[in-house]
Amino acid sequence: DTAVSQTPKYLVTQMGNDKSIKCEQNLGHDTMYWYKQDSKKFLKIMFSYNNKELIINETVPNRFSPKSPDKAHLNLHINSLELGDSAVYFCASKAGDSPLHFGNGTRLTVT
Amino acid sequence: AQSVTQLDSQVPVFEEAPVELRCNYSSSVSVYLFWYVQYPNQGLQLLLKYLSGSTLVKGINGFEAEFNKSQTSFHLRKPSVHISDTAEYFCAVSDTYGGATNKLIFGTGTLLAVQP
Repeated sequence: DTAVSQTPKYLVTQMGNDKSIKCEQNLGHDTMYWYKQDSKKFLKIMFSYNNKELIINETVPNRFSPKSPDKAHLNLHINSLELGDSAVYFCASKAGDSPLHFGNGTRLTVT
Repeated sequence: AQSVTQLDSQVPVFEEAPVELRCNYSSSVSVYLFWYVQYPNQGLQLLLKYLSGSTLVKGINGFEAEFNKSQTSFHLRKPSVHISDTAEYFCAVSDTYGGATNKLIFGTGTLLAVQP
């Protein structure tokens, strides 16, 4: 069973569209994250949620809106997509002192 | 503010040769250091971490890293690499460990390219 799963794996869309990426973890972790990896492989935190509460918001444009319906899920909705949003988006989770567990990523391409 | 520098974007090495991937960090407070590996089309996996205690840390797949406070470095080493070690390696730093506000600052990664 995949511990942290993201869907879709690939997402190709046009500028101006709205899209969502879903993330689910079956590890029983309390904290979930979204990271963005750009074309140069640089990995930067976007958001973290703890028990459905927003904890970290790293000055991400408000076109990005995370939603956590329960502590096992953290979805990412992106409005009015721009070319610069093209990247690989990683979901991750952790509990207490455990290391981060990453999903396999969603490659978003905006044309 | 914390930061991580990985000077080498790519390190080519022959199979069974030793390798060292360099990582330097800056942090004004307590520091916790990590190495993650990313295989193609996969997420990151933790290789090893330094929290406190012995400065030589052993991880999975035969990797080890040494924390050097005076040089602010945390270089990753392996005495003999395999083709299967080909991957992107990320060094990361955090000023806290555990807790919901903990966040990792990643370096830009080093591609280890093992050649037969």
